[in-house]
Formats: sequence, structure tokens, C-alpha cells
Amino acid sequence: NAGVTQTPKFRVLKTGQSMTLLCAQDMNHEYMYWYRQDPGMGLRLIHYSVGEGTTAKGEVPDGYNVSRLKKQNFLLGLESAAPSQTSVYFCASSSLHRAGEKLFFGSGTQLSVL
Amino acid sequence: GQQLNQSPQSMFIQEGEDVSMNCTSSSIFNTWLWYKQEPGEGPVLLIALYKAGELTSNGRLTAQFGITRKDSFLNISASIPSDVGIYFCAGTFWDSNYQLIWGAGTKLIIKP
Repeated sequence: NAGVTQTPKFRVLKTGQSMTLLCAQDMNHEYMYWYRQDPGMGLRLIHYSVGEGTTAKGEVPDGYNVSRLKKQNFLLGLESAAPSQTSVYFCASSSLHRAGEKLFFGSGTQLSVL
Repeated sequence: GQQLNQSPQSMFIQEGEDVSMNCTSSSIFNTWLWYKQEPGEGPVLLIALYKAGELTSNGRLTAQFGITRKDSFLNISASIPSDVGIYFCAGTFWDSNYQLIWGAGTKLIIKP
């Protein structure tokens, strides 16, 4: 049972480049999330989705876009990468948005923007 | 906005010692959650607390939902090497929609 799979695991970009992070879950969860994790800070929500075809902004959405064309996939895009977007990105899914508690996380993507 | 203050930031302990960490907020939370993150992995839920005063255990881990609903505690008894990692608290509250926010984490390091 794969759970939540993120690709790629590592990526280095130059400032201004674009890229897409892919998240796939096989648990038939309705809700999916993208977080970023920076040293000394908790997880900060970038965008989330409460179902196929829906997306919503989280705490730190600027500079990112997302799409949920299929229930099992949630894509995070950076149109023009900036050094401030250097971070570890985590995708998560859950079956209970209101509770938002039992989140299943992927293993993360380490992104460096030079 | 809402903030969770998690302490301590890091802990250096000897194997076999008990560990305590906590999260506090100036606001009331509906749910308190404790997650653990191991190196190179995403966080994994350890314990979820739903009622003020609730005390819940998961093996050597025990967590409590504070009576005031503004704090929560996590204790680990008789620590072992596999306990190393970052422990995060998180809380949920209602503010026009359901919100989940995270503490900054407590890094647990076991001295050799």
C-alpha cells in the first residue's frame, strides 16, 4: 500500500525557472494538501483541495498554483521560482476535512532555488 | 492569526529518561494532535485528543488535552533510540472554516 507518493524527491532550480511537484494518493481520500516546511517553523499550508476539481488557498499561497484534475493527484506548480521558495514540500491527504486531523503525508520534496 | 507555541525547541536526553513537551496558545482549540517526523519522512500522527481533560496513551506516549483547551502535553516514558525525531503539535479550530495550525516542533536527540 503506497499511501501518498511525491515526485521528485529532490530538485534544484535556478531563479525564474518553473517546475511542477506531483502528489499521488491511493487511499481514495477526498482532501489533499500542500505544505512547506522551513527550519524552526511548523508546517505552513500552501494550498488545499476538498475534492476533485476544487482548490483553495492556504496560509502562504503566493508564488504557487495547484490543480486537482483527478481525485488521486494534486499538483503544485512554481511558475517562476525564487530563492525564498527553497524549502521541503510535503503533500498530505485525509478523508476527514472538518477534523483535518489524520493527515497522511508523503516523504517530501527537497527544493533548492539558486 | 492563531499561533501555537511549542516548547522546548530541542531536547538532549539520555536513553531511558522520560520526556515532556508542550504546546500552548492564547486561543481555544477544538482538537489537539501530536505528530512525529523522522528524518527524510513526513509527519505521522501519534495521538489525537478531542475533549478538554482527555488523557490518551499510545504505548510509551501519553498526551493530554488541557482543561482550558489552550494547551496540550506529550510525555514519552523510558526513551529509546528510535524515539529521535521532531515532534509536532497541531490544533484545530473554527474560523469561518475549519483550520489546522502547527507548532514549530520539538527536536528530540538521544545522547549516546
